[in-house]
Amino acid sequence: SQTIHQWPATLVQPVGSPLSLECTVEGTSNPNLYWYRQAAGRGLQLLFYSVGIGQISSEVPQNLSASRPQDRQFILSSKKLLLSDSGFYLCAWSVPPDRGPLREQYFGPGTRLTVT
Amino acid sequence: GQSLEQPSEVTAVEGAIVQINCTYQTSGFYGLSWYQQHDGGAPTFLSYNALDGLEETGRFSSFLSRSDSYGYLLLQELQMKDSASYFCAVIDDYKLSFGAGTTVTVRA
Repeated sequence: SQTIHQWPATLVQPVGSPLSLECTVEGTSNPNLYWYRQAAGRGLQLLFYSVGIGQISSEVPQNLSASRPQDRQFILSSKKLLLSDSGFYLCAWSVPPDRGPLREQYFGPGTRLTVT
Repeated sequence: GQSLEQPSEVTAVEGAIVQINCTYQTSGFYGLSWYQQHDGGAPTFLSYNALDGLEETGRFSSFLSRSDSYGYLLLQELQMKDSASYFCAVIDDYKLSFGAGTTVTVRA
């Protein structure tokens, strides 16, 4: 069966510090991978998605970046955090188009980031 | 781009029926999905409609009208554990665009 891991679960970082959040998927190959951010009491904002190694699409211009160094690894980074970067960060995966249409996404447990 | 509208809050008693409406404007459309998210948790998939009509999954049903750019999620026989946020999401090729969510509160 497939599982998705995210770490850390919670993080408190000062303004101006760097960030690295990691997401890994097990039990599937060549998944589509996604990073979302959710502000308190709000919907999910798509930040980045990837359809393959080294292929990253950005949905919202910001001081965050994403990388996919391996097939089932997705990393969200920042060089200098802003207060507005606080939120709940969720990684998700879905089957690639060659295995069927996008029907559902499977979410990781999330990382709650507080920038102070 | 995509734009989705759904009510922000709904309150109902145990055993009742709740309908959460979702209207959307989108440049591309492959289907409409619904997700449930309990406080502090990750969203989980509930239902998916690609074609017009009703899809039933236990106590939950979802409806889609593509011509009206409208769908709804129907929660029947409400239970306390159904208190959560519910999101509609438009599927556009290989990505989802989510609505702001509807918080459902179930009272005893």
